[in-house]
Amino acid sequence: GENVEQHPSTLSVQEGDSAVIKCTYSDSASNYFPWYKQELGKRPQLIIDIRSNVGEKKDQRIAVTLNKTAKHFSLHITETQPEDSAVYFCAASRLSTSGTYKYIFGTGTRLKVLA
Amino acid sequence: DVKVTQSSRYLVKRTGEKVFLECVQDMDHENMFWYRQDPGLGLRLIYFSYDVKMKEKGDIPEGYSVSREKKERFSLILESASTNQTSMYLCASRTRLASGWGTGELFFGEGSRLTVL
Repeated sequence: GENVEQHPSTLSVQEGDSAVIKCTYSDSASNYFPWYKQELGKRPQLIIDIRSNVGEKKDQRIAVTLNKTAKHFSLHITETQPEDSAVYFCAASRLSTSGTYKYIFGTGTRLKVLA
Repeated sequence: DVKVTQSSRYLVKRTGEKVFLECVQDMDHENMFWYRQDPGLGLRLIYFSYDVKMKEKGDIPEGYSVSREKKERFSLILESASTNQTSMYLCASRTRLASGWGTGELFFGEGSRLTVL
């Protein structure tokens, strides 16, 4: 079935540096790729997403890139700040037997921004 | 303001007990989901419901069942709890998606941490 691999599992960066998290997916029919951020003790929240007909999307300091041919997508955070410290999950859409889209999540990346 | 509420933040149960986890959303969403979150394994889909009384198995449904009698409420049931079901359980909801695209934000509850002794 559909598999989403996410790397690295942990990432430490100095404040102000950039962070990159990478995911690969296996189902060529996936057409939507969201990223969720989960701060300690809190619920996951959507931070950015991309459709398969777009190669890149930016929102201030965060961006997502998609390479459909290679089945890769990545989250880029520039000028990292302490409040970026969290667990980040990538996901890929998958069509279920009922015709409902469900999301297959990666295993998560714990990002630590060191002051 | 969107709201997904899970009835219990922390539960401790004994092996063999029947456990009910409740989730209520106030956004009139058609789709609701139950995930479990374990360190190093990410978020894994247990079951989801695409409309009232409609449900579909996710990737790890064994040992679980669900109920959706009303649109706003989605219950996860552990018929006979086992120690390997100790986990954080997250409920989420989403509006019905436009056909052809798998887009749509999931709104999560705060989670229910279940410990089975």
